[in-house]
Amino acid sequence: QVKLQESGPGRMKASETLSLTCSVSGGSISSHYCYWIRQPAGKGLEWIGRIYTGGSPTYNPSLKSRVTMSIDTSKSQFSLRLTSVTAADSAVYYCAIISTGYYLDGINIWGQGTMVTVSS
Amino acid sequence: QSVLTQPPSVSGAPGQRVTISCTGSSSNTGAGYDVHWYQQFPGRAPKLLIYSNSNRPSGVPDRFSGSKSGTSASLAISGLQAEDEADYYCQSYDRSLSGSVFGGGTKLTVL
Repeated sequence: QVKLQESGPGRMKASETLSLTCSVSGGSISSHYCYWIRQPAGKGLEWIGRIYTGGSPTYNPSLKSRVTMSIDTSKSQFSLRLTSVTAADSAVYYCAIISTGYYLDGINIWGQGTMVTVSS
Repeated sequence: QSVLTQPPSVSGAPGQRVTISCTGSSSNTGAGYDVHWYQQFPGRAPKLLIYSNSNRPSGVPDRFSGSKSGTSASLAISGLQAEDEADYYCQSYDRSLSGSVFGGGTKLTVL
């Protein structure tokens, strides 16, 4: 059973760069589409981007100028980097994967989420 | 403003049947892309409830069903139970964004 665990700073200040890592256990990260999704408090889900082993990442156009995703199969991890954060970036950040290997399938495995709070 | 439109809330009494709609456009659901549904309890991560319009992952009760026609999809919950009280989100792919889009979520209240 593949499990995901996010790790991140928790609290940070505006203008800093957010770095999150998703550690994958119980299976290989290869052949899976890896996602970052966030959810501001009391609001809905927002897709940030996806990455696939050996492929180029795809980002939400609204965040594209500030987002970088990477994947490290040797460590079974994938990461998110978001620059110049503001209070609007405060949210629970989820890493998730589609384990079927087809990017149009449902996102079937989710991490528990990590809360990020940005203060001014 | 979410790309996919859901009602903010629905409610029903135990045992009743409720439906939650999800409406998109010609660049996502209307383009033939599948709709997936997620269930989320407070403080918890979303869980895949229905995939590819109408399929249930292993372990999801058959009280949950999904359908899609044109630009709209629906999630139906029959035999409503108190434990079904949660937020429900639809999701699809948008070819203009080249990525996933979600509905704004629907809060289900069991009366």
